Amino acid sequence: NAGVMQNPRHLVRRRGQEARLRCSPVKGHSHVYWYRQLPEEGLKFMVYLQKENIIDESGMPKERFSAEFPKEGPSILRIQQVVRGDSAAYFCASSPLSSTPYGYTFGSGTRLTVV
Amino acid sequence: DAKTTQPPSMDCAEGRAANLPCNHSTISGNEYVYWYRQIHSQGPQYIIHGLKNNETNEMASLIITEDRKSSTLILPHATLRDTAVYYCIVRLGSQGNLIFGKGTKLSVKP
Repeated sequence: NAGVMQNPRHLVRRRGQEARLRCSPVKGHSHVYWYRQLPEEGLKFMVYLQKENIIDESGMPKERFSAEFPKEGPSILRIQQVVRGDSAAYFCASSPLSSTPYGYTFGSGTRLTVV
Repeated sequence: DAKTTQPPSMDCAEGRAANLPCNHSTISGNEYVYWYRQIHSQGPQYIIHGLKNNETNEMASLIITEDRKSSTLILPHATLRDTAVYYCIVRLGSQGNLIFGKGTKLSVKP
């Protein structure tokens, strides 16, 4: 039973380029959550999605960031025109359709470096 | 903002019990206490959760005070591989986002 798969593990982008981070949830999970972790800091919630719907994007920066979770395929976190301050580890987590007391299953993260 | 308070760091000798405290004085009746840990550069890992009774699993024990305003995570026989940041999180039932605070950096020393 594969866990949450994130790719790429490491991503280097020049300032102004676009970054696309992918997250395949645990099979059967239809809820996806994205978190960002800046160096030496804790995880900050960004966005919560269900299939084809954004449920809570209260942690997403208002500009340049977007997320989707299509009916088919992985969830995508997209960062346009990246800046050095976007350098961070981005973690995705998933949970099943029915409510679960066991919290989320996290992926291993994508480490974005903006040069 | 996180609704919990944890010491920023703790040391523990290998083979001894590690007791990690957490204060959650504003917890409400239907909020659970969750513990996760993050080993260096990895994604957070679920450890245990509880509502008001003490809980135990293969990884750890969770002791929640009767007034539910604080709890303690116990790793009975800490190993070097338990070195990690441990996060105590209060969450509404089985729904709702996990809000991470700064956690406790546990260093297990030989």
